[in-house]
Order: sequence, then structure tokens, then C-alpha cells
Amino acid sequence: DIVMTQSPDSLAVSLGERATINCKSSQSVLYSSNNKNYLAWYQQKPGQPPKLLIYWASTRESGVPDRFSGSGSGTDFTLTISSLQAEDVAVYYCQQYYSTPPFTFGPGTKVDIK
Amino acid sequence: EVQLVESGGGVVRPGGSLRLSCAASGFTFDDYGMSWVRQAPGKGLEWVSGINWNGGSTGYADSVKGRFTISRDNAKNSLYLQMNSLRAEDTALYHCARLRTPVNNDAFDIWGQGTMVTVSS
Repeated sequence: DIVMTQSPDSLAVSLGERATINCKSSQSVLYSSNNKNYLAWYQQKPGQPPKLLIYWASTRESGVPDRFSGSGSGTDFTLTISSLQAEDVAVYYCQQYYSTPPFTFGPGTKVDIK
Repeated sequence: EVQLVESGGGVVRPGGSLRLSCAASGFTFDDYGMSWVRQAPGKGLEWVSGINWNGGSTGYADSVKGRFTISRDNAKNSLYLQMNSLRAEDTALYHCARLRTPVNNDAFDIWGQGTMVTVSS
């Protein structure tokens, strides 16, 4: 199974500042035949189900603000919130869908306001 | 409105059984693969089981293999999870989730609010 790790476990960022979350997979999730990274990012606010933010490592889901961006390839990925807003306080998870089953998630990164 | 609504959770003793249901609406249910994802209190997300569009292919996490069975009824727009031999470590909020496209390897774009399963004596 592909193991997903995330860093940091939590971070506190001032409103309007940049937040950066890292995700690493234990093996590459880049499929060479289509050059796509099978990596997604989710946001989960308290009491709510996860919400898909990013798929194919860098494609924003419809309706997701453009302050959210995803980057990376192979085994190393980053979710960036360019200008943190109060409503962005949440736990963020990465997930691989390259080798399934199982789909595997990272342990999550909690983002708070400093 | 595209929606998934889970039901069937509750409190059960270790070794007991439960059947979870997920009612889908607002989209063509049999176009999509579906999964169950759980979240223990205060913990992260764990994929439990998945099924393709017609039920012909299923998959399970090692932690539930042999105890849980996923199924679907496309005529009823419903997804199910039969949970047997329940253990304390199965205590969690169980979400059903839809794959973003009809292919089996994709992200989950629609999630239900979840149904809580508590295994306790």
C-alpha cells in the first residue's frame, strides 16, 4: 500500500499570509502513460464532511477559490493557500488514488489563525 | 441537488452487526463508483471499502476484509455496507463518497454527512 505523510501536523498563519502544507507518498503516484499525478487535496471543517479542493495534484475543483493551489509531482506535493482567510481554518488531507485499493489518505494538517 | 444521505448507524456490542445505507440523489447513480470512508472520533480519514458502477468489482481495507461487505442497488440509488463481527476499533463516523468520474481511480467529489457507529459493551 502507498503510505501518505504530511507536514507539518499543524500550523498557525496570520490572516492574509501564505500557508503551505506538504504531502509525501511512499512511492510515485505519477502515471507515465498520461503524465498525471493521482493526488487529491481535501478540506475538512469541524462537523462537516471533507470537501474536494484539488485533484490531479493541481486542478482546482469547481467553485474552489483561486487562493488554493496544488503543485508537485511524483512523490512530493504541496498545497498552498496564498492569502489565508478566516474561513480556511480546517484540517487538510492529501490522498492518493494511483494504486487502489486501498485509497490512502495522509494524517491531516490542521490550519489555524495566528 | 447532488446529495448523499447515510443512515443505519447506532450503538452495537462487540461482535454484533449493522447495515449502513447511503441514499443518492441528484445524479445518475449507476454512472459512478462509490466508497465508504470512516473517521474515528478526533482522527483522520480511513478508506473502508469501494464498489464500481455495477457492483462487479469491490475492494476492502485490510482492517475490515472478511467482516464487511459492500453492495449497491442501482434501481434504488442506494449503497450499502454490511458490517459483521464489529470491534471497538470500528467505532467511527462512516461517510459514503462518490468518485469524481466513472473511472475507478479518481478523487471523491461528493460526500455525505456520515452516520455514527459506536461499538461498545
